[in-house]
Amino acid sequence: DGGITQSPKYLFRKEGQNVTLSCEQNLNHDAMYWYRQDPGQGLRLIYYSQIVNDFQKGDIAEGYSVSREKKESFPLTVTSAQKNPTAFYLCASTSMRGSYNSPLHFGNGTRLTVT
Amino acid sequence: KNEVEQSPQNLTAQEGEFITINCSYSVGISALHWLQQHPGGGIVSLFMLSSGKKKHGRLIATINIQEKHSSLHITASHPRDSAVYICAVKENTGNQFYFGTGTSLTVIP
Repeated sequence: DGGITQSPKYLFRKEGQNVTLSCEQNLNHDAMYWYRQDPGQGLRLIYYSQIVNDFQKGDIAEGYSVSREKKESFPLTVTSAQKNPTAFYLCASTSMRGSYNSPLHFGNGTRLTVT
Repeated sequence: KNEVEQSPQNLTAQEGEFITINCSYSVGISALHWLQQHPGGGIVSLFMLSSGKKKHGRLIATINIQEKHSSLHITASHPRDSAVYICAVKENTGNQFYFGTGTSLTVIP
């Protein structure tokens, strides 16, 4: 079955440590996204990538970094520079073929707690 | 400024009731998505619309492009429909999505 896998589901880190969240998809999707979800707010875009080795900052990219070395993988690193990293992180992907609109697929999310 | 507004924020219904969730948006779009998020956090896509109306089982989604408005209807609601429903739009000038803050639905037996 095709889908998006995020790991781990729960992650606990001490302040000052970098942490990397994994996102893998086997849907052959070109576009991948990282969102942050906080209570009472809509999903906010951290980074997105439309092709391998290319990515763009979203609205809240400060303190985060990404890489896209393979089409299937789009890991997110939460650095110590991120002032308020405790949140629920969601990875998503969609196809970008021409003008065709494709559904947005989500992983099950990673809940990061930094103390 | 929120590109996508949803109402209501919270909704409690008795089992069997007809439910409507509304979504208004302010940007030009190529498609509108209705998403469902259960307490565990994972999000699933319910509908993708660019015009008209779609139906899956007890769920119906409509969109009025001229008025920049969409509605999600649930007929004969059931406790398993309890979830957060999120409206999202894909802008027509790029590859970004904008999301509403969600409607938290609780259906009481």
